[in-house]
Amino acid sequence: ETGVTQSPTHLIKTRGQQVTLRCSSQSGHNTVSWYQQALGQGPQFIFQYYREEENGRGNFPPRFSGLQFPNYSSELNVNALELDDSALYLCASSTWDNEQYFGPGTRLTVT
Amino acid sequence: QKEVEQNSGPLSVPEGAIASLNCTYSDRGSQSFFWYRQYSGKSPELIMSIYSNGDKEDGRFTAQLNKASQYVSLLIRDSQPSDSATYLCAVTMGNTPLVFGKGTRLSVIA
Repeated sequence: ETGVTQSPTHLIKTRGQQVTLRCSSQSGHNTVSWYQQALGQGPQFIFQYYREEENGRGNFPPRFSGLQFPNYSSELNVNALELDDSALYLCASSTWDNEQYFGPGTRLTVT
Repeated sequence: QKEVEQNSGPLSVPEGAIASLNCTYSDRGSQSFFWYRQYSGKSPELIMSIYSNGDKEDGRFTAQLNKASQYVSLLIRDSQPSDSATYLCAVTMGNTPLVFGKGTRLSVIA
C-alpha cells in the first residue's frame, strides 16, 4: 500500500449538489494530482497542485476546483453535480520524478 | 490530441507463460512512461517506470521502450493467476503528468 489516503471511501449525492473529496499525500511528496476514472476507462487527469498552486489542468470545467494545503494534503471540490460525474476519483502524490502513487480512491455516485 | 492506445483484451495466457502487453502513444516528445496494475475495484498500483530506450527489468516484469516507434510494452514472465488484472499504460505528455490508456485486461488461467 502507498501512504496516500483519501476520504470518504464512498459517497452518494444528488444532481445539483456540491461535494468535497480529501486526500493526504505520501510522506515526502509535495505534488498532488487528481484523476477521474469512469467505469471501463483509464483515469483522466483533472488537475495537479504543487506547493499550494495549481500546476496544470485537464479538460474539466471550472466547477471542478481544488486546493492544496501547507502540509501537501489536498481537496477536490465539484459544484453542481451531474449524473456523468459518477466515477472513481483518484488522488496521486509524487515528487519531482513524477512517479505517481495512488490512494484508494473515492467512489462518487450521483443520482 | 494526447492519446495512449492499448488493446482492451481480454488477453488470456496459461499459468507460467509470458504475457505481452503493448501500448502506443501520440506525443513524440514524451519522456516518461509507466505501467500500472489495477485489480477490480481497487486503485492503480505503479509496477514499472521507464525513461530511456531499451529494456528495464524488475523481477518477473520487463518494460520495453522504443521512442522512435512511440511504443511501450510490458512483459510478465512466469505469469501467475494473481497477475490477473487490468494493466494501464501511462505517458507524460506536455503539461499533463499522466495520460492513461484504457487498459488491457489480463487473465492468467491456472
